[in-house]
Amino acid sequence: NAGVMQNPRHLVRRRGQEARLRCSPMKGHSHVYWYRQLPEEGLKFMVYLQKENIIDESGMPKERFSAEFPKEGPSILRIQQVVRGDSAAYFCASSPSGQAVTYNEQFFGPGTRLTVL
Amino acid sequence: AQRVTQPEKLLSVFKGAPVELKCNYSYSGSPELFWYVQYSRQRLQLLLRHISRESIKGFTADLNKGETSFHLKKPFAQEEDSAMYYCAPGVTNTGNQFYFGTGTSLTVIP
Repeated sequence: NAGVMQNPRHLVRRRGQEARLRCSPMKGHSHVYWYRQLPEEGLKFMVYLQKENIIDESGMPKERFSAEFPKEGPSILRIQQVVRGDSAAYFCASSPSGQAVTYNEQFFGPGTRLTVL
Repeated sequence: AQRVTQPEKLLSVFKGAPVELKCNYSYSGSPELFWYVQYSRQRLQLLLRHISRESIKGFTADLNKGETSFHLKKPFAQEEDSAMYYCAPGVTNTGNQFYFGTGTSLTVIP
């Protein structure tokens, strides 16, 4: 099991461009979480998805940010019209399918470092 | 509102000294508690979970429901403990959900 994969590992965009970050969860995991880590700050929850469903997007900025986790393929975090303040490390995590009460561990990917010029 | 607080953003201790990283939570229901660690240039990884009542790398964490705290402790800090530590309650009312604290950066001084 290769673990949680994220690509690209580094992404450079100019202001106004779009950024697409991909996350492939571990095999058998159908729960995906996205987090953002701004420079000199801690990890902040953005969105929690299951296959084809957004469960909790309370941490997502209201504009320009969207996320999806289609039936097939990786989860995508999309940032439209990026600004310099979007520069951060974006981490994806996955956890196994199953009942929520099991309090499963989240397995993290290596992150994507987005730099907006 | 659900909340987890790690009051110390930065913490420095000398090698061999005891270390305590504080975590307080405010949640409806009874969350399960976890500590995650991120060493330099590595992935965030699970350090320990309350339900296991285990000691990992010399660290322990006691859940105090009265004070709603889950402080992480180690009696003798080592240089390799220098890392970012996140307290993470897990709740079930919205699914398999974790809310990470803002983290404490621990530096162990040789």
